[in-house]
Amino acid sequence: QVRLVQSGAEVKKPGSSVKVSCKASGGTFRNYAFSWVRQAQGQGLEWMGGIVPIFGSAKYAHRFQGRVTITADETTDTAYLEVSSLTSEDSAIYYCVRQRGTFGTSFAYWGQGTQVTVSS
Amino acid sequence: EIVLTQSPGTLSLSPGERATLSCRASQSVSSVYLAWYQQRPGQAPRLLIYEASSRATGIPDRFSGSGAGTDFTLTISRLEPEDFAVYYCQQYGSPSTFGQGTRLDIK
Repeated sequence: QVRLVQSGAEVKKPGSSVKVSCKASGGTFRNYAFSWVRQAQGQGLEWMGGIVPIFGSAKYAHRFQGRVTITADETTDTAYLEVSSLTSEDSAIYYCVRQRGTFGTSFAYWGQGTQVTVSS
Repeated sequence: EIVLTQSPGTLSLSPGERATLSCRASQSVSSVYLAWYQQRPGQAPRLLIYEASSRATGIPDRFSGSGAGTDFTLTISRLEPEDFAVYYCQQYGSPSTFGQGTRLDIK
């Protein structure tokens, strides 16, 4: 049984950074793609990027390149999302997702979401 | 980047009725890369359909997906009370994109 447990809610100042974690259990962590999807209040879903731990390097949506870093720690089966230079537009729920396989597969398992609020 | 446009924006139906939700892509999408998700209020999205027509584990058979190229459809044959939610289509090529969602309301 696959389970993704994310870190708790964060309140950040504009211009700062936030790092969200996603602890996975069930399945072989290194073989699957882990993506991050965010959802602003009352809005739709937006893919930010993802990583396949066995491959190491991450892929990013164009609009987030340079401001978002996705990493994975195989020793703890944990994926991370770091977003820098935060603005109020980054206030959203951030979801960790484990895909059915590597990149190019559907988003089968979702974490509970982490609320990030950016406010002065 | 492939843009997905869902219609209608809101669909009002009664339990027991049939729901048909549309997803149109700005360019051709391989059926292998098309999925549908359900999101209930306060919950994370849930995978319903992948590869355009394959039901995910545990999804009832009243949910079905079809389509090819630029036009895809999610059909719910007989609406149950728990089906009233927001539905998103997604293409999970690179980069992945989502439609803006269709809200399914109780009439």
